[in-house]
Amino acid sequence: QKEVEQNSGPLSVPEGAIASLNCTYSDRGSQSFFWYRQYSGKSPELIMFIYSNGDKEDGRFTAQLNKASQYVSLLIRDSQPSDSATYLCAVYYGNNRLAFGKGNQVVVIP
Amino acid sequence: GAGVSQSPSNKVTEKGKDVELRCDPISGHTALYWYRQSLGQGLEFLIYFQGNSAPDKSGLPSDRFSAERTGGSVSTLTIQRTQQEDSAVYLCASSLETGKQFFGPGTRLTVL
Repeated sequence: QKEVEQNSGPLSVPEGAIASLNCTYSDRGSQSFFWYRQYSGKSPELIMFIYSNGDKEDGRFTAQLNKASQYVSLLIRDSQPSDSATYLCAVYYGNNRLAFGKGNQVVVIP
Repeated sequence: GAGVSQSPSNKVTEKGKDVELRCDPISGHTALYWYRQSLGQGLEFLIYFQGNSAPDKSGLPSDRFSAERTGGSVSTLTIQRTQQEDSAVYLCASSLETGKQFFGPGTRLTVL
């Protein structure tokens, strides 16, 4: 069973602060990791992907990967109200399949 | 360019009726996925197509669910004898690169 865990409840952050989301995965052999953003009532959209250990930055988003500890995280710097959404962690484990976590809701308070 | 499109956007049906949901992927995308998302829940994988073949049907909940893809493009998900528990948003995604999936707007299915 390929599991992706996002255990934190809804995250409320003040505007301008850093939002930090974590995700753990069960398959040690996984090589590719993705973050999708889903606004309420909309479909998911890909915002970040990371393949190597370390940090990857794209604008206000930073993805962090630690394969030894089997976790991947997403940081949102200078959070804006438009960042309020659910963030889905996804892990590729072969055969063209992604395993998705249940998501973490982020609410940015103006 | 055009994204993934799905039709209908909303479907209300009576229990026991059959429904067909359609997905038009991004042109040239060889991989196509169907997911189901119930209110407040994560994405439930249903089926994956590579070209017209479905190498992975493991997520289909029962034999009432079937899907096909023709011409390496349009896909149809059919649910026979719908049940109330089938009510959900059905999402289609297409992909050219592993893991980078582009989702359609979804079909909201309500079974009365």
